[in-house]
Amino acid sequence: DTGVSQDPRHKITKRGQNVTFRCDPISEHNRLYWYRQTLGQGPEFLTYFQNEAQLEKSRLLSDRFSAERPKGSFSTLEIQRTEQGDSAMYLCASSSRSGQGYTGELFFGEGSRLTVL
Amino acid sequence: AQRVTQPEKLLSVFKGAPVELKCNYSYSGSPELFWYVQYSRQRLQLLLRHISRESIKGFTADLNKGETSFHLKKPFAQEEDSAMYYCALGPGTYKYIFGTGTRLKVLA
Repeated sequence: DTGVSQDPRHKITKRGQNVTFRCDPISEHNRLYWYRQTLGQGPEFLTYFQNEAQLEKSRLLSDRFSAERPKGSFSTLEIQRTEQGDSAMYLCASSSRSGQGYTGELFFGEGSRLTVL
Repeated sequence: AQRVTQPEKLLSVFKGAPVELKCNYSYSGSPELFWYVQYSRQRLQLLLRHISRESIKGFTADLNKGETSFHLKKPFAQEEDSAMYYCALGPGTYKYIFGTGTRLKVLA
């Protein structure tokens, strides 16, 4: 296991197009997070999954954003009708279950950079 | 509301000088605090957690509940410490809240 992987690493699209990002977490991690990071800012929380259940969504996540985690494994983040303001780095992170062995550490992927022209 | 404040965007110090990266938080419950680091061209990674009270790469951070602070300190900066540092609060209701980050530049 090489850690959290994200695909694609870079995406350039025209305004109005749909884009989808994929995240493969560390295999034994049941918690998965999506964050967005823009220039000069820290990661901003978008959404959280515990197994396949989406337990929390940020108000930043408009109706154009949807995330899924079928079967509690990989996750996808789709942005419909992209706008220039969606240009950002989209980060995925995973962590282990609570209880024994819980550390609270988030393991991040390298991110998917979106540029909307 | 949960909030993390890192007041300095950039901190420049000379090699061998002490470093202190400031972090203040706002949280009504019992906080879990973390420092994450991002070196050039690398992914964001955990540096240390307050609950472990450990020193990593010479860095330490003490949780001060009275001042709601979790400042990161190192007595003697090294050039390889140059990176972006993010303070994070969580998980609370699942989510981790990150500060805006401080870029540390260690000058030769």
